[in-house]
Amino acid sequence: AQKVTQAQTEISVVEKEDVTLDCVYETRDTTYYLFWYKQPPSGELVFLIRRNSFDEQNEISGRYSWNFQKSTSSFNFTITASQVVDSAVYFCALSEAQGGGADGLTFGKGTHLIIQP
Amino acid sequence: KAGVTQTPRYLIKTRGQQVTLSCSPISGHRSVSWYQQTPGQGLQFLFEYFSETQRNKGNFPGRFSGRQFSNSRSEMNVSTLELGDSALYLCASSLEDSYTDTQYFGPGTRLTVL
Repeated sequence: AQKVTQAQTEISVVEKEDVTLDCVYETRDTTYYLFWYKQPPSGELVFLIRRNSFDEQNEISGRYSWNFQKSTSSFNFTITASQVVDSAVYFCALSEAQGGGADGLTFGKGTHLIIQP
Repeated sequence: KAGVTQTPRYLIKTRGQQVTLSCSPISGHRSVSWYQQTPGQGLQFLFEYFSETQRNKGNFPGRFSGRQFSNSRSEMNVSTLELGDSALYLCASSLEDSYTDTQYFGPGTRLTVL
């Protein structure tokens, strides 16, 4: 069965510091998709990025960057020059194509990121 | 384009009652999935609907059910509420395939069971 582990329950940093959120996944499928979502206090899950298992290119979007490494089954997320508005719970999620969506998205437990001014 | 909308945003019910939650997907999206979020269990998949048919189902008791209408709007129903059903219920929509297409989430319905 698929599994997503976010070992960091909570991270607290001072504004402008860089911070990396770890995500490790387990799957038997060769085709799968990885996602990151942000959940601010309002509760809505905000989509950040989707990556398929055949695309190991790292991606950068402004202050956000993602490092996908199949060799270590990791999909880490880095925020550069963090800001108070980045404070939220961040979830990593996995979707297995061969399962036909039978299990929906499998989420990690989330990392609560606190950016202190 | 309007995002996923969910109504109501907050609900308070008592044990034994039943509740119906509603979700309107992004225009053009045909797949709707439901998730339950609790502090203890985290985010768990309930079920997915596509073309008015339940396509996938998570590991939840039969008290949890849903349906989808021809306009892709979806409702979920929880009967005989238990205290443990208190949670944030999130609806997500995607274009066609929930496992390949990105799922976009609504703001959720926070259900409190007393």
